[in-house]
Amino acid sequence: QVQLVQSGAEVRKPGDSVKVSCKASGYTFSDYNILWVRQAPGQGLEWMGWINPNNGDGNFAQKFQGRIMMTRDTSISTAYMELRRLRSDDTAVYYCARDDGGGWYFWFDPWGQGTLVTVSS
Amino acid sequence: NFMLTQPHSVSESPGKTVTISCTGSSGSIASNFVQWYQQRPGRAPTTVIYENNQRPSGVPDRFSGSIDRSSNSASLTISGLKTEDEADYYCQSYDSSSVEFGGGTKLTVL
Repeated sequence: QVQLVQSGAEVRKPGDSVKVSCKASGYTFSDYNILWVRQAPGQGLEWMGWINPNNGDGNFAQKFQGRIMMTRDTSISTAYMELRRLRSDDTAVYYCARDDGGGWYFWFDPWGQGTLVTVSS
Repeated sequence: NFMLTQPHSVSESPGKTVTISCTGSSGSIASNFVQWYQQRPGRAPTTVIYENNQRPSGVPDRFSGSIDRSSNSASLTISGLKTEDEADYYCQSYDSSSVEFGGGTKLTVL
């Protein structure tokens, strides 16, 4: 079955970087965009960006300008999201999801299990 | 930048019907598909409605979605409420190449 498995929880200090991985299985990795979303404790879902695994193209929300990098390794069907210059308000669960919208709209399905990133001094 | 607004919380009794709204701030919400996700505590979201009114396999037909152009809103309706429906629900749409989520609605079934 289609599955996205994310890397484990991380603890970082303010100013550090974190890189979260998302390994896909059960489908052809390069055929679907990967989307990234985060959820701060007790808060709603916040879209971060997306990447096309086929060519590496993508887009990200303006608020992460200069701090986010999304990459992929097609040889191991894995997408990565790196967030730099971490602040305490970056503490959140980070999710990846497959874009099931066929390339012409965004539909997150399925989701990874989530990766908790804690930023604390 | 468009925004999607949902009520913060709704509550209803088992067996009843509840509707959760998702109102677009600008443009026409009918211009792009709306999806709805259910999120139980400590779990990743799952889709209950996609393309405004389509149910993924495995989602019971108690869940339905609709678009109201006159109010520029989308709605998720859950009939025959069960205690297991208690969760947070998020609407989601998009604008050019960016994505927007509603703020989420906490459904309490009491």
